Amino acid sequence: NAGVMQNPRHLVRRRGQEARLRCSPMKGHSHVYWYRQLPEEGLKFMVYLQKENIIDESGMPKERFSAEFPKEGPSILRIQQVVRGDSAAYFCASSPQYEQYFGPGTRLTVT
Amino acid sequence: KQEVTQIPAALSVPEGENLVLNCSFTDSAIYNLQWFRQDPGKGLTSLLLIQSSQREQTSGRLNASLDKSSGRSTLYIAASQPGDSATYLCAALTQGGSEKLVFGKGTKLTVNP
Repeated sequence: NAGVMQNPRHLVRRRGQEARLRCSPMKGHSHVYWYRQLPEEGLKFMVYLQKENIIDESGMPKERFSAEFPKEGPSILRIQQVVRGDSAAYFCASSPQYEQYFGPGTRLTVT
Repeated sequence: KQEVTQIPAALSVPEGENLVLNCSFTDSAIYNLQWFRQDPGKGLTSLLLIQSSQREQTSGRLNASLDKSSGRSTLYIAASQPGDSATYLCAALTQGGSEKLVFGKGTKLTVNP
């Protein structure tokens, strides 16, 4: 059983471009979570999704950020018009219920 | 609102020493508490998960305890090795809301040969 997969592992974007981060949960897991780790800070919850539903997006910035988990395919975290402050490691986790398993993360650098 | 605190922020010990990492949380209504390890530039590796009904969990040289009434958890590492050097994170899954983990900022452990 493959673990949580994230791609790309590293992403470089110029200010104003769009960033798309992908997450494939573990087989059989229907819950997906996105967390962000800013430099020198702890991991912060962003959004919790189930298939085709956003359950909790209380940690998402109000503008430029969106997430989806379609019926088919990976979960996508989309950041529009990136700014330097978006540079961070973005981690995805999946869960069958309460224990969360984390992917390797995508490290986004905005230049 | 759940808040998780880890003390100390950094710890340096000689190889072979037993050590304890501390984690405290403000809301005792939790489903579980997880301890993770993070190596520099890497993802999170789950070490131990303690359900709210449990008092402790053990895996090899690691032992984690949970005291919900006092809002505390500890991670005990026996006979530390240089390979244990990493940042250790604790995270609480709180009841009554969505299933999001609230993380502490971590303890950076260095084990010196």
